[in-house]
Amino acid sequence: GIQVEQSPPDLILQEGANSTLRCNFSDSVNNLQWFHQNPWGQLINLFYIPSGTKQNGRLSATTVATERYSLLYISSSQTTDSGVYFCAVYSSASKIIFGSGTRLSIRP
Amino acid sequence: KAGVTQTPRYLIKTRGQQVTLSCSPISGHRSVSWYQQTPGQGLQFLFEYFSETQRNKGNFPGRFSGRQFSNSRSEMNVSTLELGDSALYLCASSLETGVYEQYFGPGTRLTVT
Repeated sequence: GIQVEQSPPDLILQEGANSTLRCNFSDSVNNLQWFHQNPWGQLINLFYIPSGTKQNGRLSATTVATERYSLLYISSSQTTDSGVYFCAVYSSASKIIFGSGTRLSIRP
Repeated sequence: KAGVTQTPRYLIKTRGQQVTLSCSPISGHRSVSWYQQTPGQGLQFLFEYFSETQRNKGNFPGRFSGRQFSNSRSEMNVSTLELGDSALYLCASSLETGVYEQYFGPGTRLTVT
């Protein structure tokens, strides 16, 4: 089945720094979403981005489907950005596959 | 619109018991999917229901089952609980089945002792 790899697994930054999170997938996908899981376990939708680039405030994402990767950019990090970031892809077998996540810690 | 709701939020059960978790999707959403999250295995797809029919199933034993009602609400059941079933169970809804954006509920944290 399709493999989804996220990097880096852990990232520790100072408040105000910028970061780039990467999601690689091993096969063609029909959909890709980025989520932020807060400390209480809630998955919050960030982007629905099967291809192209989207921006929402300090966050933006780019998916290059032909090269099988997606990037999530976080600028001017705040402590509230801490948590785990997941990408999830929708495979041709109609199943959602999650990556293992990037744990982001923003220090004040 | 109200978001996806899940009940109960926390649950403690004993090995061998069974448990039923409930999920109410966003109004108008017809597809409901269930996921299990554990520290060791990460987020894994359990199954998806659409129009009261199971559309997709992940690689879980038959002890895990679900159903969907005519109002799109869904329940999942785990029978003969094992210690390894301790996890956060997340439900997500989407407008239709297929490549539609999924919205997650807050989850049910199940502890099996």
